[in-house]
Amino acid sequence: EPEVTQTPSHQVTQMGQEVILRCVPISNHLYFYWYRQILGQKVEFLVSFYNNEISEKSEIFDDQFSVERPDGSNFTLKIRSTKLEDSAMYFCASKTQDFYEQFFGPGTRLTVL
Amino acid sequence: AQSVSQHNHHVILSEAASLELGCNYSYGGTVNLFWYVQYPGQHLQLLLKYFSGDPLVKGIKGFEAEFIKSKFSFNLRKPSVQWSDTAEYFCAVRRGYSGNTGKLIFGQGTTLQVKP
Repeated sequence: EPEVTQTPSHQVTQMGQEVILRCVPISNHLYFYWYRQILGQKVEFLVSFYNNEISEKSEIFDDQFSVERPDGSNFTLKIRSTKLEDSAMYFCASKTQDFYEQFFGPGTRLTVL
Repeated sequence: AQSVSQHNHHVILSEAASLELGCNYSYGGTVNLFWYVQYPGQHLQLLLKYFSGDPLVKGIKGFEAEFIKSKFSFNLRKPSVQWSDTAEYFCAVRRGYSGNTGKLIFGQGTTLQVKP
């Protein structure tokens, strides 16, 4: 069964460094999402991406964040200058059509020191 | 702002006990509702979903949920839990009209621990 994959599974970085989290959505999917979950808190929406552009972003998704779908298979989340409070589990999700379920990847645990 | 509330943060049950996890949301328009499960070390998986029609929906692994519009609720139930149901359970909501981004708003999750 097709799955959403994410790499790396765990990323440790120093505050102020740039990180890129990678996701490979399911191949025929058209809608892409990033969510995050800070330890002990809710899963929060960050951004949605459709038709090669951001369709919605949350207030968390400030200028330090960006997303890209560089080659038609990968979907990346970049954090330009990480802060301690960016430490969280980041989930990628995708779906094929509007009223279909989202399929989630296993997550990348980001630790900012 | 739209929000989702799960009443139980941590539930401990013995095998064969019945389960009901509460979920309430705060959006007055049409909604689509979901329950996701996250087993230890695994990713979020869909248990069941409601888009329209019969408000009692059945999902995988014997789970079901009932949408009660007047109560803004979508509670998850299982008549007899198993040790393998130990996991974290998330209720999620999206606005139910086309053309929106389909983002999910999650509850804070309920950790279910089933004792053998």
